[in-house]
Amino acid sequence: AQSVTQPDIHITVSEGASLELRCNYSYGATPYLFWYVQSPGQGLQLLLKYFSGDTLVQGIKGFEAEFKRSQSSFNLRKPSVHWSDAAEYFCAVGARGFQKLVFGTGTRLLVSP
Amino acid sequence: SQTIHQWPATLVQPVGSPLSLECTVEGTSNPNLYWYRQAAGRGLQLLFYSVGIGQISSEVPQNLSASRPQDRQFILSSKKLLLSDSGFYLCAWRPAGLHISGNTIYFGEGSWLTVV
Repeated sequence: AQSVTQPDIHITVSEGASLELRCNYSYGATPYLFWYVQSPGQGLQLLLKYFSGDTLVQGIKGFEAEFKRSQSSFNLRKPSVHWSDAAEYFCAVGARGFQKLVFGTGTRLLVSP
Repeated sequence: SQTIHQWPATLVQPVGSPLSLECTVEGTSNPNLYWYRQAAGRGLQLLFYSVGIGQISSEVPQNLSASRPQDRQFILSSKKLLLSDSGFYLCAWRPAGLHISGNTIYFGEGSWLTVV
């Protein structure tokens, strides 16, 4: 069975600073990996996804994530955070041809001035 | 392009009253459909998913039920709400088929349910 761990419940970053949100997964084969963002009171928006190929994937809003098989990780990064990035971020994993995704518990990002 | 609609956006219901949340998807056929719940301060919990009309899989035994009366319509119901049913409910969909480009779940805007 798949599982996802997001070890940081909250992270505070200064505006303009770099960001890295951690995600570790457990799955026996090559997974499908996703990052979603949720603004307060809204649904989840897909930031990026990894299926295969290049392990560094680019997403919307200037985000990127790197798949590291040896570490079972799929960390999300952004070189310079904007105040509008304050939100909750969810990592998710699915098997190939999945019917459902397994989500992490989320990391809430706070951006300080 | 595909869109997902979910309503009502906000609902305040007394304990013991019924519930009906509705979700429809446009611009696609035979999608997988999902209902998730977020309780305050918690992550996403998958409640139900459906791969076709009348086919419902329940993930968590509870006070809720789901139905799919039409291909692109997914309804979440309860006969008698409990206080613990309060939360943020999200409908989602996934394109049909096994093509790699379809392997993504897209979410609606959610419905806030407060049971009082």
